[in-house]
Amino acid sequence: EIVLTQSPATLSLSPGERATLSCRASQSVSSYLAWYQQKPGQAPRLLIYDASNRATGIPARFSGSGSGTDFTLTISSLEPEDFAVYYCQQRSNWPPRMYTFGQGTKLEIK
Amino acid sequence: EVQLVESGGGLVQPGGSLRLSCAASGFTFSSYEMNWVRQAPGKGLEWVSYISSSGSTIYYADSVKGRFTISRDNAKNSLYLQMNSLRAEDTAVYYCARDRGEGDGDPWGQGTLVTVSS
Repeated sequence: EIVLTQSPATLSLSPGERATLSCRASQSVSSYLAWYQQKPGQAPRLLIYDASNRATGIPARFSGSGSGTDFTLTISSLEPEDFAVYYCQQRSNWPPRMYTFGQGTKLEIK
Repeated sequence: EVQLVESGGGLVQPGGSLRLSCAASGFTFSSYEMNWVRQAPGKGLEWVSYISSSGSTIYYADSVKGRFTISRDNAKNSLYLQMNSLRAEDTAVYYCARDRGEGDGDPWGQGTLVTVSS
């Protein structure tokens, strides 16, 4: 089973600053990695799929990169609405076709 | 608009049962794989179960295997999760999520809270 490890657990930044979030897989997942944003009381929202593709309606300040075992979500200039929890996720290509999530990174206002 | 709406959550005693529903609209439900994902209070996301578009292939997390049953009715655009022998550790918000076809979920429903307590 692939394990996803996110760092840091908490990131304290100010609006306008650049945020860099990391996700490391215990073995290669090629480019099959997604990122989600979750705000309190809301469902997760897909931001990035296949490591670097923005989902529909996601602002250009969000970008994803990486392949193999190391992935990064970058928010180029933080807006107040970006402070939330971010999860990375991958799905195995063999049974069981389970989703595996990282433990999350909380992006908080400094 | 693509939408998923869960229902059926509530308070149940340990050992009890509950059936969750997820109503889909705005897309061809029968063409998509679906998943249930849960989130315990203050915790991260945990995958629960997967069902293929036709319903012929099903998988479960080890934590729920033998107790939960996923199903779907493509004629009714609905996904279900039958939960039996519930435990305190099953307390969570349960989300249904459409798989885009690439192994990621989009969109997700708003979630339904299941509380297992005496």
